[in-house]
Amino acid sequence: QVTLKESGPGILQPSQTLSLTCTFSGFSLSTYGMGVGWIRQPSGKGLEWLANIWWDDDKYYNPSLKNRLTISKDTSNNQAFLKITNVDTADTATYYCARIGGYYHWFAYWGQGTLVTVSS
Amino acid sequence: EIVLTQSPTTMAASPGEKVTLTCRASSSVSYMHWYQQRSGTSPKLWIYETSKLASGVPNRFSGSGSGTSYSLTINSMETEDAATYYCQQGSSYPPTFGAGTKLELK
Repeated sequence: QVTLKESGPGILQPSQTLSLTCTFSGFSLSTYGMGVGWIRQPSGKGLEWLANIWWDDDKYYNPSLKNRLTISKDTSNNQAFLKITNVDTADTATYYCARIGGYYHWFAYWGQGTLVTVSS
Repeated sequence: EIVLTQSPTTMAASPGEKVTLTCRASSSVSYMHWYQQRSGTSPKLWIYETSKLASGVPNRFSGSGSGTSYSLTINSMETEDAATYYCQQGSSYPPTFGAGTKLELK
């Protein structure tokens, strides 16, 4: 059974760095072909893809945010991480991690999401 | 970046009614994926690779399309189908999502 769960600070101030953790089970990020992605959703709005990381440590970022994003993984502890630097109120959203399925990169399993609020 | 345009933005359907949601891509994609999101919950994979139903999805749902035009069809609307549906392409980076279609029960 595949499960994912996001964790984060809840609230942080503008210009700070947001650190998110995705803890998962039911698969390993050291297995060939496995990948995890991060997606966010402001309240009442649509979905925005942020970054993917793959079993071989290959990484992809949303070009509109690339300079601010860093994705990483800890294979031994079944975790993936996302850092977003210099946050502002526009980064307020629910952040999801998801396991990527298949060659055409759909998001097969999603976590419950963690709400992050950026406020002074 | 491939832009996905979903239509309609919002619609209402009666129980038993046939429903078709559309997703158009700004450039040709190999496949389209769809997600269902009920209020207050995380998105769920609903259809992948254009026409394959995710596990547990009722067979009143179907997906079709090619190139730049894709659709999700509900053969006979049921109460539990009221939700927002998003299309997504993963054929080229960056993966992109449509803005969603909110399907309500009439």
